[in-house]
Amino acid sequence: AQTVTQSQPEMSVQEAETVTLSCTYDTSESDYYLFWYKQPPSRQMILVIRQEAYKQQNATENRFSVNFQKAAKSFSLKISDSQLGDAAMYFCAYKLISNFGNEKLTFGTGTRLTIIP
Amino acid sequence: DAGITQSPRHKVTETGTPVTLRCHQTENHRYMYWYRQDPGHGLRLIHYSYGVKDTDKGEVSDGYSVSRSKTEDFLLTLESATSSQTSVYFCAISESGTQETQYFGPGTRLLVL
Repeated sequence: AQTVTQSQPEMSVQEAETVTLSCTYDTSESDYYLFWYKQPPSRQMILVIRQEAYKQQNATENRFSVNFQKAAKSFSLKISDSQLGDAAMYFCAYKLISNFGNEKLTFGTGTRLTIIP
Repeated sequence: DAGITQSPRHKVTETGTPVTLRCHQTENHRYMYWYRQDPGHGLRLIHYSYGVKDTDKGEVSDGYSVSRSKTEDFLLTLESATSSQTSVYFCAISESGTQETQYFGPGTRLLVL
């Protein structure tokens, strides 16, 4: 079974600085997606960024970028120029690509990010 | 933002009572999912649907049932609520199951006393 591990339960960063959140996963499959979701205090789950495993290029979305290391099964999220609105719980998630179309998201346990003004 | 609503947003109930949570979407997406979120576990899949009247179990389906009579609505029922079902419940949708990102509703906080 696939597992997703986020080894940093909490992290903090000074406003305007850069922070990297770690995620590792375990799978024997070769075709899958990886996601970072953000959950602010409102509890809404918001997609931050998505990476297709078959793409070597790391995904970027404005201040958010990933470092995807497929061989190492590592998928870290880098947040540049941290803002107060980035404060949230961040979840890493894995989704297998299959022919059945029913594959669930497997989530890590989350990293709570605090932004220090 | 994807058009997903959940009702109720908050509910307190007693052990042994039936509870139904509703997820409603306006995106006409085929796939709908119910997850629960608990501390230390992230989100875990309860049930999902891949079409009207087509549903299947997830990893934590015991004690839950679902129904989907219309594309836009996916109901989650706790037949006899237990304290272990106290959780935050999220509905998610995706256009297809293979390629598409899942988008989440705002969540329902359920407390079973």
